[in-house]
Amino acid sequence: QKEVEQDPGPLSVPEGAIVSLNCTYSNSAFQYFMWYRQYSRKGPELLMYTYSSGNKEDGRFTAQVDKSSKYISLFIRDSQPSDSATYLCAMSADPGTYKYIFGTGTRLKVLA
Amino acid sequence: DVKVTQSSRYLVKRTGEKVFLECVQDMDHENMFWYRQDPGLGLRLIYFSYDVKMKEKGDIPEGYSVSREKKERFSLILESASTNQTSMYLCASSPRVWSTEAFFGQGTRLTVV
Repeated sequence: QKEVEQDPGPLSVPEGAIVSLNCTYSNSAFQYFMWYRQYSRKGPELLMYTYSSGNKEDGRFTAQVDKSSKYISLFIRDSQPSDSATYLCAMSADPGTYKYIFGTGTRLKVLA
Repeated sequence: DVKVTQSSRYLVKRTGEKVFLECVQDMDHENMFWYRQDPGLGLRLIYFSYDVKMKEKGDIPEGYSVSREKKERFSLILESASTNQTSMYLCASSPRVWSTEAFFGQGTRLTVV
C-alpha cells in the first residue's frame, strides 16, 4: 500500500462547479500537508499549506484535513477553465525534513 | 520572475550515453533537489543538496549522481542512460529543508532510446 493515495482522474467538471480533490494516507504521524498545482509542461507550484487538522481558506480554495480519517481535501469553488491542471498533495510528519511524500496527482479539466 | 531554471525542456539521448541535466536558481537558496515524475508513481526524490559540495541520497538514487560546485547550480548526471530513466525530471530549491518557499523548475522531459 502506498503511503499516499490520490485518484489520477481525469476529473471533468463544468465551469462554475465546486471541485473536491482528495488524498488518503496511511501514516498517522503526518501533520504537514501541502497542495500543489501543476499545469501541463510546467513544474508544480504551491497552492495551500496546512498543519494538523482543520480548514484553511484562500480565495476560491479551501484545504481541509481530517486526521482521524487520514484524509485531506482541496475544494475549489466557482471553478474556472484556468483551474484545469494536475493537483498534487504532499505531506510529512516533520517540518524539518527534506522529504515530503507526494501523491501521484489528480488531473482536473474544467469545461467552459 | 525566473526562479529555478532547467537548461533543457526536452532531451532525447541514446542508451549508454552520459547525460547532464542542469539546474540554476536565483534565490540564494541553500537547498536544491532533483525529483523524477512518472505516471502512477508521482514525484520521487533522487538527490538533494543542503550546501555546496554536500549531497544526500533520496529515495531512488541508483543510476544517478549529482554535482553542486556553486550554490546556485545543481546538476543531475545519468552515468549510463537506460530506457527506464525516461521520465520528467524536476529540479527544485528551498531556503531551508522542504518548505512553503520551495520552487520547482519547469521540468526536463528526458527520453532515452
